[in-house]
Amino acid sequence: EAGVAQSPRYKIIEKRQSVAFWCNPISGHATLYWYQQILGQGPKLLIQFQNNGVVDDSQLPKDRFSAERLKGVDSTLKIQPAKLEDSAVYLCASSQTGVNTEAFFGQGTRLTVV
Amino acid sequence: KNQVEQSPQSLIILEGKNCTLQCNYTVSPFSNLRWYKQDTGRGPVSLTIMTFSENTKSNGRYTATLDADTKQSSLHITASQLSDSASYICVVRGTDSWGKLQFGAGTQVVVTP
Repeated sequence: EAGVAQSPRYKIIEKRQSVAFWCNPISGHATLYWYQQILGQGPKLLIQFQNNGVVDDSQLPKDRFSAERLKGVDSTLKIQPAKLEDSAVYLCASSQTGVNTEAFFGQGTRLTVV
Repeated sequence: KNQVEQSPQSLIILEGKNCTLQCNYTVSPFSNLRWYKQDTGRGPVSLTIMTFSENTKSNGRYTATLDADTKQSSLHITASQLSDSASYICVVRGTDSWGKLQFGAGTQVVVTP
């Protein structure tokens, strides 16, 4: 079974530039998550999709971050404009529907804003 | 305040020794608790899952315990190996409609020869 695919693995941009991350979840997984993980901390949920609908985006900085999951499969996360404090690893995860299902994580995209 | 607190923040152990990591949570009601292992540069991978009625769960040299009354969990690593060097994250799932995951900050474990 293929895992969660993310790209790119690494990205370096200057502040005020824009950046986009892509995620392809495990086939058949209706739930997709985007997390931000700052060095030394646990992942923080940015947005959770159920199919192509948003069920939780309460911690997404909507003035600069946006995410979409067209057709309920792949997803993109965009930051525009980036700030220095956005430097982090952005993790995508997916799971089947159900409270005891496991969330499977991709390898993440490490973003450095300079 | 974070609803999942882990301790210690980090620890260093000699290869072959045992160690125990702690997780205290306030998520209530909760559906399940997972321990994840996160190698450097990788996404987290699930080690164990426990629901409300389970007290202990093993996965090879990893043994997790759960006390739902005191809202505490522990992860015990037996006979540590160099490959156990990683961050171990406690994740608690609530019973809200979409089962939001609450993450601890993780415990960084370094196993030395």
